[in-house]
Amino acid sequence: EDQVTQSPEALRLQEGESSSLNCSYTVSGLRGLFWYRQDPGKGPEFLFTLYSAGEEKEKERLKATLTKKESFLHITAPKPEDSATYLCAVQAIEQGAQKLVFGQGTRLTINP
Amino acid sequence: DAMVIQNPRYQVTQFGKPVTLSCSQTLNHNVMYWYQQKSSQAPKLLFHYYDKDFNNEADTPDNFQSRRPNTSFCFLDIRSPGLGDAAMYLCATSRDLGSPRPQHFGDGTRLSIL
Repeated sequence: EDQVTQSPEALRLQEGESSSLNCSYTVSGLRGLFWYRQDPGKGPEFLFTLYSAGEEKEKERLKATLTKKESFLHITAPKPEDSATYLCAVQAIEQGAQKLVFGQGTRLTINP
Repeated sequence: DAMVIQNPRYQVTQFGKPVTLSCSQTLNHNVMYWYQQKSSQAPKLLFHYYDKDFNNEADTPDNFQSRRPNTSFCFLDIRSPGLGDAAMYLCATSRDLGSPRPQHFGDGTRLSIL
């Protein structure tokens, strides 16, 4: 069974304190890995798609990387407005192109 | 801006009273999805439409139904809501099924059951 596990469940950082969020996955055939940001009471907002090991994507203070077993979302010098839940999802070949399997998310809090 | 719009944002219904949630999109995407998300949990796919073709997840209860009258609109019907159906319901779209494109989400409808 395809699985996505995110760690830690929750993370508190001071403003400017860089860190990384982890997404470990087990799928038999990865088509793509997606990172989303979800603010309280809102739907997930798309951040990045990664397709193959070694790929990296950047957007402002966020950088996503991918290996054959996990993905990291690095956050550099975060600001309070980066506080949100970050969701990782994978799309696997054998499940058909339509299904995303989501992790539980990491709830990130940036204190000023 | 092209977007996915869900109405209402908050819905309260009584135990056993049918309820319908709606979703519209201006992205002209072929695929529309419905997810259920309970507090601090991952979104769980209920079903999706590729154009007019309906695909139900194996573990989606029969209590949940969906309609897609045209490309732009999709509805989630809960025939007899139970207390366990209280959740955020998210609608999402994607351009097609053939490649791993991102799904675009609405802001959800939070459903409460009295």
